[in-house]
Amino acid sequence: DAGVIQSPRHEVTEMGQEVTLRCKPISGHNSLFWYRQTMMRGLELLIYFNNNVPIDDSGMPEDRFSAKMPNASFSTLKIQPSEPRDSAVYFCASSYSGIQTEAFFGQGTRLTVV
Amino acid sequence: GDSVTQMEGPVTLSEEAFLTINCTYTATGYPSLFWYVQYPGEGLQLLLKATKADDKGSNKGFEATYRKETTSFHLEKGSVQVSDSAVYFCALIKEGAEGSQGNLIFGKGTKLSVKP
Repeated sequence: DAGVIQSPRHEVTEMGQEVTLRCKPISGHNSLFWYRQTMMRGLELLIYFNNNVPIDDSGMPEDRFSAKMPNASFSTLKIQPSEPRDSAVYFCASSYSGIQTEAFFGQGTRLTVV
Repeated sequence: GDSVTQMEGPVTLSEEAFLTINCTYTATGYPSLFWYVQYPGEGLQLLLKATKADDKGSNKGFEATYRKETTSFHLEKGSVQVSDSAVYFCALIKEGAEGSQGNLIFGKGTKLSVKP
């Protein structure tokens, strides 16, 4: 298995633009997590899905952020409109049966909003 | 609320030196404790864990002991290698409502650089 696949690896965009980050979880995993990593706040859970259904989105910072999981093999995290303070590394992780501590992480997407 | 505090980095060591990265936590109840490692350009990987007081987690020569009396879970390795250069995260998790798993709470990470 190729592991959790995120794209793009790097994204540079201008303030106000829409940004979409993508994630393909490990086949057979039914839970997916989106994290954001910044120098100031460290690693924070934004949202997680179980069987394609959002279970807890309390970590999503603002209405500008939205996440979807239309099927078991694909998820997106969208920021619209983007702001410079959204610059961070965004990680996607997947696990079996919602066990965060057994999740496998992707390589992350480094987002820079200028 | 619950939190994890790690020593600030970066930590720079020579190969074969002894490593300690301090981690303390604040939590009600009885959390499980974890160390994750993030190698350059990669996502986090679980390194070791301990689920109750006095448990010792170990993996790849790294160890950490769950100390309830000092609310600590310090990471140690007797002889580091260049390949250990990475960012290390301490984390905790508690049981959520109705026996479900709560959310992982991470420290801010400590960057370790090992020089040959």
